[in-house]
Parts: sequence; structure tokens; C-alpha cells
Amino acid sequence: QVQLVESGGGVVQPGRSLRLSCAASGFTFSNLAMHWVRQAPGKGLEWVSVISGDGNNKYYADSVKGRFTVSRDNSGSTLYLQMNSLRAEDTAVYYCARRNVAGYFYGMDVWGQGTTVTV
Amino acid sequence: EIVLTQSPGTLSLSPGERATLSCRASQSVSNSYLAWYQQKPGQAPRLLIYGASTRATDIPDRFSGSGSGTDFTLTISRLEPEDFAVYYCQQCSNSPFTFGQGTKLEIK
Repeated sequence: QVQLVESGGGVVQPGRSLRLSCAASGFTFSNLAMHWVRQAPGKGLEWVSVISGDGNNKYYADSVKGRFTVSRDNSGSTLYLQMNSLRAEDTAVYYCARRNVAGYFYGMDVWGQGTTVTV
Repeated sequence: EIVLTQSPGTLSLSPGERATLSCRASQSVSNSYLAWYQQKPGQAPRLLIYGASTRATDIPDRFSGSGSGTDFTLTISRLEPEDFAVYYCQQCSNSPFTFGQGTKLEIK
């Protein structure tokens, strides 16, 4: 079945780096854009980044631009988020999500269970 | 950046009642590229509605979405016990793909 599994979260000191991974299965990974969304403790959802299926187009929220880098390995069906210069306000559960198969502009139809980052 | 404002912040209703949740955008959302999600404690969000009014796969027909431009509504026709959760709208037309702050639907 379609599944996304995040890993790589943990406790890190301010200013340090962390790389999150999201392993995809059950669908043709390279066909679909992938998103990262985060949720600070007790707060709402915040969109972080998106990468196109071929990896050539990437967009970021202003809050992470210049510090976070999204990438993907289509041969290994894995999505990544490299997080540098981490700040306390980056503390959150990080979700990877698949763009809706119905279309790029139609939200995210499959989500992982999330991985927790504490700065 | 498109800012989405959801109202009310909290909605207290009883099972069987009708729920109406609002999402207002700071500027027009192109082609009604507006999605709604449901999130329960400790779980990932679940896509309910996309394109403002199309139900996602396996979403019951008591959930419906409407609206265009800057004003959108999620309606739950008859609340079931499992519908009490937090609901978010998201605009999917322009990066950054912003979310509203959420509406908590609680049991009265």
C-alpha cells in the first residue's frame, strides 16, 4: 500500500544541522511532487517546502529559506530535508506528504506519521 | 503570501448537528485551489476536500466544501462522534502554500 515513513528526527543544539528522510513506497515516486509540512507543539500546520517530481523545482517558506534544502533520490524513492542553522523555533513534528494524484494544486493526499525535531 | 483566516477558532456542537467552518483568504485563491484537512490528536492530517468542493477518496458525503475567490466553507451535514477534531484549510495556488490557523470542533 501507499506509505511514507519519516526518520532522522532528534534533539539538536541551536546552530547545528539535521537531515530528515522520508521513504516512499506503493507508488511511482518520481511522478509526484513531495512536500514537507511541520507542526510546532500545540500549534497549527506550517508548510515548509515542495520539490517537483524530477527534483528541478523547489520552493520554500520564508521562515526556512536559505537554511533548509529539500532534495530527492528517485532511484531510492526517498525524500530529504537538510536543515542547517537550526533555531528553537524549528522545533516541531515534521511531516512529508505526497501531492494529490488528482493534480499538483490539489493538496496532499498521503502523509507520513511525522518525525520530531527538538532544537 | 496569501494569509488564510479560519473562523470560528473553536466550534462547540453536538453529534447530529450541522457544522459550518469558514476560511477567508487575504487575496483571491486561483481556480479555487483550496483544500481542507482534518487532524485528530497524535495523527497526521487527512485530506478531506480539494479544489474547494471535491471530496477526497473515501471521504463520507456528509463533508462538503464550497466557495470561490476569497471565501470558502466546509460543511459537515450531520456530525458523527469521529468528526470532532481540528480542521485546516490550505491554499494550493501559490507558493508558499499556506494553511489557516485551524478550527477546533469540540463536543458540546
